[in-house]
Amino acid sequence: DAGVTQSPTHLIKTRGQHVTLRCSPISGHKSVSWYQQVLGQGPQFIFQYYEKEERGRGNFPDRFSARQFPNYSSELNVNALLLGDSALYLCASSSSMGQVSFGNGTRLTVT
Amino acid sequence: QKEVEQNSGPLSVPEGAIASLNCTYSDRGSQSFFWYRQYSGKSPELIMFIYSNGDKEDGRFTAQLNKASQYVSLLIRDSQPSDSATYLCAVNMEDTGFQKLVFGTGTRLLVSP
Repeated sequence: DAGVTQSPTHLIKTRGQHVTLRCSPISGHKSVSWYQQVLGQGPQFIFQYYEKEERGRGNFPDRFSARQFPNYSSELNVNALLLGDSALYLCASSSSMGQVSFGNGTRLTVT
Repeated sequence: QKEVEQNSGPLSVPEGAIASLNCTYSDRGSQSFFWYRQYSGKSPELIMFIYSNGDKEDGRFTAQLNKASQYVSLLIRDSQPSDSATYLCAVNMEDTGFQKLVFGTGTRLLVSP
């Protein structure tokens, strides 16, 4: 079975641009979460979606948005990119037992 | 006070020794606890989870949970150089109507041959 898949793996953008990151959860998992991990820190929660509904949002500005599609895949959008948005963006899907598995991540560099 | 605290390390142990990694958390209501291993430049990989007080063993790994003390630990027996990585402690915490994983900053483990 395929794990959590994310695309692209790497991305370079300039300040002020917009970016869209994509994620497909493990087959059968209906919950998708997004995390941001800056260098030297643990992942920080951004969003959680379940059955296409936003369940929770972390302490991130409105420039960050997300959605979940009927096939449970998800997109994370970030507008008006700042240098500080440079990070590893992780998508995770959750089993019914609450075990969270991460994809390989998208490394975003903002110049 | 940080919600999940870990010593950033590095923790250096010789090959074959026991590595002990510790984590404390602030939310007394938390019920699920996880340890992730993260190699440099890679995403976190779930290696252990524990829900009940006491010890849980899986191969060379043992997770220990003490809810009264709000303390979780990970023991790695017979440490190998390939265990060198950052170990992230994560706690499932209740937020307004949903649960989210809250991570510590991670402990860097170095196992020398």
